[in-house]
Amino acid sequence: AQSVTQLGSHVSVSEGALVLLRCNYSSSVPPYLFWYVQYPNQGLQLLLKYTTGATLVKGINGFEAEFKKSETSFHLTKPSAHMSDAAEYFCAVQYSSASKIIFGSGTRLSIRP
Amino acid sequence: DVKVTQSSRYLVKRTGEKVFLECVQDMDHENMFWYRQDPGLGLRLIYFSYDVKMKEKGDIPEGYSVSREKKERFSLILESASTNQTSMYLCASSEPRGTNEKLFFGSGTQLSVL
Repeated sequence: AQSVTQLGSHVSVSEGALVLLRCNYSSSVPPYLFWYVQYPNQGLQLLLKYTTGATLVKGINGFEAEFKKSETSFHLTKPSAHMSDAAEYFCAVQYSSASKIIFGSGTRLSIRP
Repeated sequence: DVKVTQSSRYLVKRTGEKVFLECVQDMDHENMFWYRQDPGLGLRLIYFSYDVKMKEKGDIPEGYSVSREKKERFSLILESASTNQTSMYLCASSEPRGTNEKLFFGSGTQLSVL
């Protein structure tokens, strides 16, 4: 079955440290890939998405993600964490433009002062 | 900006009650979705709709139904609420299929069934 896996339900980093949130998908065909963020007491909002073209995608708030077909991965990174980055992050995939979006189980990011 | 509004932020209901969760979007989007969010399980799709009066089952439709009488409004109905339906419910909308749609989410309704 087509799926998306986020490694680590909770990640904690120090303020100023690198943020790395992992996402892997299961498909031989490259899907469309998304990262969403959910701040406390809010709905989800799109951080970035990959459809075609350049494999390094830049999003809002200094986040970026790289599509690696050989590793079936779409990991999210940010060079320097800020306290305001504390939130839950969801990776999502869509296997064709007519199919539904499948969400991962989420990773909660905590930032230590 | 697109606005997706869910009628209630918190809702407490009793087992067996009929529950209506309302969602309205203001950007004339064709697609609307209902998800439930549970810790460790992420978002699971309950029902979706690609047009007025049209509905399709998602991954976990059991115990739920939906109504879409107008393009801007998509209602989720729990015919007889049960305790295992205690969850955060998120409504979303998007542009038509074929556009690699970005989902716009409401703030969610935290439903507790006692």
